[in-house]
This record gives sequence, C-alpha cells and structure tokens, in this order.
Amino acid sequence: EAGVAQSPRYKIIEKRQSVAFWCNPISGHATLYWYQQILGQGPKLLIQFQNNGVVDDSQLPKDRFSAERLKGVDSTLKIQPAKLEDSAVYLCASSDRRTVGNTIYFGEGSWLTVV
Amino acid sequence: KQEVTQIPAALSVPEGENLVLNCSFTDSAIYNLQWFRQDPGKGLTSLLLIQSSQREQTSGRLNASLDKSSGRSTLYIAASQPGDSATYLCAVGSYTGKLIFGQGTTLQVKP
Repeated sequence: EAGVAQSPRYKIIEKRQSVAFWCNPISGHATLYWYQQILGQGPKLLIQFQNNGVVDDSQLPKDRFSAERLKGVDSTLKIQPAKLEDSAVYLCASSDRRTVGNTIYFGEGSWLTVV
Repeated sequence: KQEVTQIPAALSVPEGENLVLNCSFTDSAIYNLQWFRQDPGKGLTSLLLIQSSQREQTSGRLNASLDKSSGRSTLYIAASQPGDSATYLCAVGSYTGKLIFGQGTTLQVKP
C-alpha cells in the first residue's frame, strides 16, 4: 500500500514570496491533515479535511495560508506571502475513521526555509 | 485547552538499557493517545496507539501505558539498541482525529 506522498520535499524561498505544497493521501482515506512542525517542537495542526470539507482550521493563519482539497483526494497548502517564521516542516497526514483506533499516517514532509 | 508535555527533552543511554519516556496531558477527556517515532529528516511513524478505554499496548520491545485519571502515559523501551535513536513524540487524539503533540524526547542509544 502506497503511503502519503508529498512534494516538493525541500524548498527555499525569500520572504514575501509564495510557495505551494502538494499532498496525496493513502487511497481511500477520507480525512486529510496538514501539520506545521517548527524545529525542536511537536507538530501543530493547521487544517483538517473530511473529504473536501474543512473540519478544523482554527490554527491556520488565514491572512497568508490557504488550503484546498477540491475533489476530496489530494490537497494543496499555499503560503503567500511567506514570513521568516514560516520556516518549518509541513507534514501531511491521512486517516480512515472506519479503521479501529483511527491510526494516522504521515508523509515525509515538505521542508520550507524562508530567507 | 489540552497541553501535552514530554520529559525529558533529551536522553542518552548505553546500549542494552531499559528506559522510560514520559508524557503528561492536562485534560483527561481524550479519545486516544499515540506514540510516534521521528528520524532526522523524516516524517512520523506510528508506534503504538492506546484507546481511551485501554491501559496499555505492546509491540515487540515497546510497551505504552495510559493512566487517564492522572493524565500520564509512558513509553517503555526494553533492551535499547542504537537503531532506537530518534525523537519520540506522544500525541493526544480527539474524536475528530485531531492530534495535540508534545515537544518530543530525543533519544540517543550509544553502542
């Protein structure tokens, strides 16, 4: 079974530029998450989708971050304009609530450096 | 507001030692608790998931316990190996699937 796919793996941009990250969840997983992990900290949920609807985006900085999951499968997270403090790993994850325990599977992350 | 704390932040042990990583949380109304492993430059790998109704889970040399009333979980690693070196994260899960993470414990097992 293929895991959660993310791209690009690494990105370096200047502040005020824009960047987009793409995620393809495990096939059949209705729930998709984007987490932000700043170096030395645990991941923090940015946004959670159930199919193509938003369940939780309470910690998404909506003035600069946006995310979509138009067809209920893959998703894009965009940052525009980027700030230095956005330097982090952006982790995509997916889960299937029909499975016991609702185990969440993470991708390898997209590493963003803002200079 | 749920807060998750992990102690210690870093740990270095000789190979073969048994060790315990600690995780505490402030709100006992949890759906589940998960322990993850993160290798440098990699994503998170789920190690163990404990449902709120369970007390512990075991997988190989790993054993995780959960005490909701005291807001604590421990991850026990038996006979540690250099390959166990990584950052270990605990996360409290809600019914919606949202995870709230601790800051992690970075483990180094020396040969």
